[in-house]
Amino acid sequence: DAKTTQPNSMESNEEEPVHLPCNHSTISGTDYIHWYRQLPSQGPEYVIHGLTSNVNNRMASLAIAEDRKSSTLILHRATLRDAAVYYCILRDGLDSGGGADGLTFGKGTHLIIQP
Amino acid sequence: DAGITQSPRHKVTETGTPVTLRCHQTENHRYMYWYRQDPGHGLRLIHYSYGVKDTDKGEVSDGYSVSRSKTEDFLLTLESATSSQTSVYFCAISTPGLAYEQYFGPGTRLTVT
Repeated sequence: DAKTTQPNSMESNEEEPVHLPCNHSTISGTDYIHWYRQLPSQGPEYVIHGLTSNVNNRMASLAIAEDRKSSTLILHRATLRDAAVYYCILRDGLDSGGGADGLTFGKGTHLIIQP
Repeated sequence: DAGITQSPRHKVTETGTPVTLRCHQTENHRYMYWYRQDPGHGLRLIHYSYGVKDTDKGEVSDGYSVSRSKTEDFLLTLESATSSQTSVYFCAISTPGLAYEQYFGPGTRLTVT
C-alpha cells in the first residue's frame, strides 16, 4: 500500500472547524483514501473514505485534491469528543484478496481540542 | 455498534506461558483480523482470516498463531508468551468489497511479566 504523511499533532478550539491534512504523493489510480480515528482507550473507528470526488457523511467531509496526491479530513464543528488520533490510510481497491488483508496504519495525527 | 467482543479484556501472564485471546462477532462478516498496538505506534497486523479455516500472516506474525473454526470466532494464541508481546490487541471484522470498512473490537490489554 502507498504511504501517507500526516502531521504528528494539531490543536483546535471547540466549535470551530478542523482541517486534517494527509499527503499521499505516490497514490495509485485504484487506491481508496480511508480515514479512521481512535478515541482514547478504544479501538479505531471508521470515519469516511473516497476515491476521487469529495465525500460527506454525518461525521465528517473528505476533500480530495484534483491530482489525488493529498486529501483533507474536515470536521465542521469540533467538539471535545472529537479529540482522538486520526489515521489516513490508502487501500488498493483492486487487491487480489478482495479486501481481505488488513489496513496499514501509520502514526496518525493526534488532534487536541481546547474548550 | 458492530457486534464484536473480545475476551479477556485484561490479562497478566508470566513469560513462557501460553495465552489465547478470543474475538467473537455476531455480524456474520467473512473477514476477521488481529492487530497489536504499542505505545507511539499505529496498529500492526498480526494475522487475518478470509473465511473459516482460511488464515494468513500479517506484518508481525512471529510468535503468534490463529484459528478460525467458526465464522463468529477468531482465536489468537501466543504459544509461549514473551515480554515483547506485552501490548493491546485489537480484533476487527469486515466484509468483501472494493472499499470496505473495518469494525474494531474494544481491545485486550495483555501484560507479560
